[in-house]
Amino acid sequence: QVQLQESGPGVVKPSQTLSLTCSVSGRSINSGSYFWSWIRQPAGKGLEWIGSIYSSGSTKYNPSLKTRVSVSLDASQNQFSLKLSSVTATDTAVYYCTRETEWLPSNWYFDLWGRGTLVSVSS
Amino acid sequence: DIQMTQSPTSLSASVGDRVTITCQASQDIRNHLNWYQQKPGEAPKLLIYGASVLQSGDPSRFSGSGSGTNFTFTISGLQPEDTATYYCQQCDGLIPTFGGGTKVEIK
Repeated sequence: QVQLQESGPGVVKPSQTLSLTCSVSGRSINSGSYFWSWIRQPAGKGLEWIGSIYSSGSTKYNPSLKTRVSVSLDASQNQFSLKLSSVTATDTAVYYCTRETEWLPSNWYFDLWGRGTLVSVSS
Repeated sequence: DIQMTQSPTSLSASVGDRVTITCQASQDIRNHLNWYQQKPGEAPKLLIYGASVLQSGDPSRFSGSGSGTNFTFTISGLQPEDTATYYCQQCDGLIPTFGGGTKVEIK
């Protein structure tokens, strides 16, 4: 059974870089054709996709965050990571790591989710 | 980006009622539409994909329909455990986007 677990600081100071890691257990992150993704949710609000990395290493990012976001993959550790630079209070949210699976050509869904981790931007 | 407009933002219904949520895409997304259920304090869970395919193991009272720009999610016979927020999400092209969510409560 594949499971995802987020880890990282719960508080980040304004203007600094938010860094989170997602550990994947139960399957090699390199096996299969998946996007490994980050999604966030401010308290009481909806879901916002941040960015993804394919198992081959190619990436895609939300255009509204593209200048500040980087997603990377470490196959040796079976992990993928998120970096979000120049954070402000509006980046305070629960951050989820997820797996995006192609169930038919050009048809994708987010079928696995971590439990989420709350990151607060505060001085 | 493709914008997803979901309505209503919230609803209250009685146990056993039929509940319908709509989701409209800003452009044609064929059937590239998924629905998720998020219970309080939990991560979202995939419920329906390809606009109408129910995830294995989930109750048949949940259903989805539509194609192009207009989609519908239905709960046929609302149960107390269905209290949750439901989100639509389009996957047409590389950039996924979500609807704003519909909070479903029991009256």
